[in-house]
Amino acid sequence: KQEVTQIPAALSVPEGENLVLNCSFTDSAIYNLQWFRQDPGKGLTSLLLIQSSQREQTSGRLNASLDKSSGRSTLYIAASQPGDSATYLCAVDTGRRALTFGSGTRLQVQP
Amino acid sequence: DAGVTQSPTHLIKTRGQQVTLRCSPKSGHDTVSWYQQALGQGPQFIFQYYEEEERQRGNFPDRFSGHQFPNYSSELNVNALLLGDSALYLCASSLAISEAFFGQGTRLTVV
Repeated sequence: KQEVTQIPAALSVPEGENLVLNCSFTDSAIYNLQWFRQDPGKGLTSLLLIQSSQREQTSGRLNASLDKSSGRSTLYIAASQPGDSATYLCAVDTGRRALTFGSGTRLQVQP
Repeated sequence: DAGVTQSPTHLIKTRGQQVTLRCSPKSGHDTVSWYQQALGQGPQFIFQYYEEEERQRGNFPDRFSGHQFPNYSSELNVNALLLGDSALYLCASSLAISEAFFGQGTRLTVV
């Protein structure tokens, strides 16, 4: 059974810092990995999708990497801003389009 | 493109009642998945519909059922509501092995 873990559970940083969020998964036979952002009480916004054959994806100040063999992914956020405050979730797809999620990292960026 | 739309936004039901939640997928998407998200947790997969059939199911009791219509929209039905069914219910749509897009969710409160 696939299990996804995200560390840390919560993170508070001053504005302008670069930060890394971690995601690990137990079964390396994944099809893709997706990072989402969730604002309180809201739905999920897709940030980056990494296919299993890819090593990383970039979008603006966000960069996500994937190491399938070690079961790890990281989300790097450059020059953090207060508007980045949210919960960040990673999810893996084992090829059946049913996503398995971690519990998320709650990020607070202090102005 | 309106993206994934869910209705209603909020709902309050009494224990033992039945509820129906609705989802319209992103234009062109043929697969709809439903997730339950308890407070402070990551979403949990309930089931997935493709070509009007339930294709896979997570670890949820038979009280949870669904339907997909020819236009790919979907309903989630929950019978005999329990207090523990209170959660944010999320609908996601996708096409083939592609990025999943989520709606804003329906907040269900069972009293």
